[in-house]
Amino acid sequence: KAGVTQTPRYLIKTRGQQVTLSCSPISGHRSVSWYQQTPGQGLQFLFEYFSETQRNKGNFPGRFSGRQFSNSRSEMNVSTLELGDSALYLCASSLAVKKGDTQYFGPGTRLTVL
Amino acid sequence: QQQVKQSPQSLIVQKGGISIINCAYENTAFDYFPWYQQFPGKGPALLIAIRPDVSEKKEGRFTISFNKSAKQFSLHIMDSQPGDSATYFCAASNYGQNFVFGPGTRLSVLP
Repeated sequence: KAGVTQTPRYLIKTRGQQVTLSCSPISGHRSVSWYQQTPGQGLQFLFEYFSETQRNKGNFPGRFSGRQFSNSRSEMNVSTLELGDSALYLCASSLAVKKGDTQYFGPGTRLTVL
Repeated sequence: QQQVKQSPQSLIVQKGGISIINCAYENTAFDYFPWYQQFPGKGPALLIAIRPDVSEKKEGRFTISFNKSAKQFSLHIMDSQPGDSATYFCAASNYGQNFVFGPGTRLSVLP
């Protein structure tokens, strides 16, 4: 099976712009979770989508939003970018329907905000 | 109650030594405890995982020890190699959802 893919791998934006990141989960996985990873904060959970519905949400401002399509692919959008949004954004997919279902991560998108 | 604590923050081990990373959790609803390994510039990769009905799981040089009553679990890397140098994250989840990650341990194995 192909793994989790994320596009683009690298992005450079300026403050105030918006950005959309894409994630394609492992075939058959209906859950996609998004994380922000920074050197000082570790892995911070953004939100999880399951069958096109947001099922769980972390403590991030409303500038961070997401959606999931019927083929389970997911997008994450960040509006009005701030310097502090520079991070590695990771998505992870999972079956997420029973005990022991694990998450598999993509390679991440490195976002730099200038 | 959703927090997972992890220690140490960083660890330096000689080649051939044993690396030990510890994690603790509060939420007794967690039913799955994976460990992830992350190399610079890469996403975390599942290393090994355990469920609370088992006290120990071994895969090659990697062993998870699990203490349900203490709500603690640890990763042991036997015969540590320079190629094991990476950041390790413990995590906990409930029914395949709500993954909570520890802050990570940066392991350096000296040749």
